[in-house]
Amino acid sequence: DVKVTQSSRYLVKRTGEKVFLECVQDMDHENMFWYRQDPGLGLRLIYFSYDVKMKEKGDIPEGYSVSREKKERFSLILESASTNQTSMYLCATGETAYNEQFFGPGTRLTVL
Amino acid sequence: LAKTTQPISMDSYEGQEVNITCSHNNIATNDYITWYQQFPSQGPRFIIQGYKTKVTNEVASLFIPADRKSSTLSLPRVSLSDTAVYYCLVGGSSGYSTLTFGKGTMLLVSP
Repeated sequence: DVKVTQSSRYLVKRTGEKVFLECVQDMDHENMFWYRQDPGLGLRLIYFSYDVKMKEKGDIPEGYSVSREKKERFSLILESASTNQTSMYLCATGETAYNEQFFGPGTRLTVL
Repeated sequence: LAKTTQPISMDSYEGQEVNITCSHNNIATNDYITWYQQFPSQGPRFIIQGYKTKVTNEVASLFIPADRKSSTLSLPRVSLSDTAVYYCLVGGSSGYSTLTFGKGTMLLVSP
């Protein structure tokens, strides 16, 4: 059974803080993703990684960076959190671009 | 990118068949069509995937016409537990950068 875990379910941070969101998967998948989900906008891809230390920008990378030092771990970094980054953040993994993605439970981040 | 359009919401009653259509006019030749289901406070979960014609599994069917510019997710005899948001995802032909999620359809099933 695929397991994708995210470091926190709920997080509250202040404007300007550096925020780390961590995702860990146990399926040995090459590909990992970070999405944000907002009401009325659906899921939007922030960044994805297709191999260790490899990353590519998604649709909305501004204000975010990522790190993938180990295959099973993919981190999303908000260098200086802003209120417009208040959102639900979802991590996912997948074998290939065609295969299903397995999602974590999400982290609801509030930036005050 | 293959932009997708879905109805914002749909209502149904228990026992009815529900069809949710997704439009994707710019779908690329090698793109796949995938549907996900999401319950509150959970990540989306894979339901079904197809490329053309019809695909059926134990929970749903996916109908894709010959021109592939749209697809229809069919849920037979829905129950209250099918109340969820359903997302259409198109892409994959050129890697993950071409994947596009729809904005989702909120399906409400009533008794």
